[in-house]
Amino acid sequence: DQQVKQNSPSLSVQEGRISILNCDYTNSMFDYFLWYKKYPAEGPTFLISISSIKDKNEDGRFTVFLNKSAKHLSLHIVPSQPGDSAVYFCAALGGGGADGLTFGKGTHLIIQP
Amino acid sequence: NAGVTQTPKFRILKIGQSMTLQCAQDMNHNYMYWYRQDPGMGLKLIYYSVGAGITDKGEVPNGYNVSRSTTEDFPLRLELAAPSQTSVYFCASSLIGTENTGELFFGEGSRLTVL
Repeated sequence: DQQVKQNSPSLSVQEGRISILNCDYTNSMFDYFLWYKKYPAEGPTFLISISSIKDKNEDGRFTVFLNKSAKHLSLHIVPSQPGDSAVYFCAALGGGGADGLTFGKGTHLIIQP
Repeated sequence: NAGVTQTPKFRILKIGQSMTLQCAQDMNHNYMYWYRQDPGMGLKLIYYSVGAGITDKGEVPNGYNVSRSTTEDFPLRLELAAPSQTSVYFCASSLIGTENTGELFFGEGSRLTVL
């Protein structure tokens, strides 16, 4: 039973355009939501997070939006750059279960020149 | 700055063999974690530790054991390797406090194949 869902296994975007990665969750007890970026043969690296009491957090080219009523969050990357090509994992903290993060399956973002 | 270091990076095991994946962090983090990632799947929590001498099960602990004798080290032990344990294993650490935001620092991963 997936509590964090990323329904798009892959996404292709042209360089310079906006990339929008989506994530849905089912557990309303999650406290924080995070996005991690992963290159092949490397560990995931933290990108940006948002508290469940906020609806937007921005850091340079990256913005995360949270819609609690819809249990949906999205990561916007603008403008998209070739180095953004990677797998992006949505993750959630809390939820009343074991400590640590609950991860989605990931979305492979491909930035095309 | 080493961060989180995992060894080995690659290993092939025969069914029934045992081995230990090593993990060390030099950031003085209290919390440490072991995740596994199967192809096309997200990371699943195996075990975690909130400090030296304390460990607890995550989502998929069966077939694994851990220990935490020091703050720096968190080895993961596979006693009787099975093909279902073929995966990429990631160790991570975090500094947990009242301002915890869930940011984990990951190692580069250990790719394990059981044949």
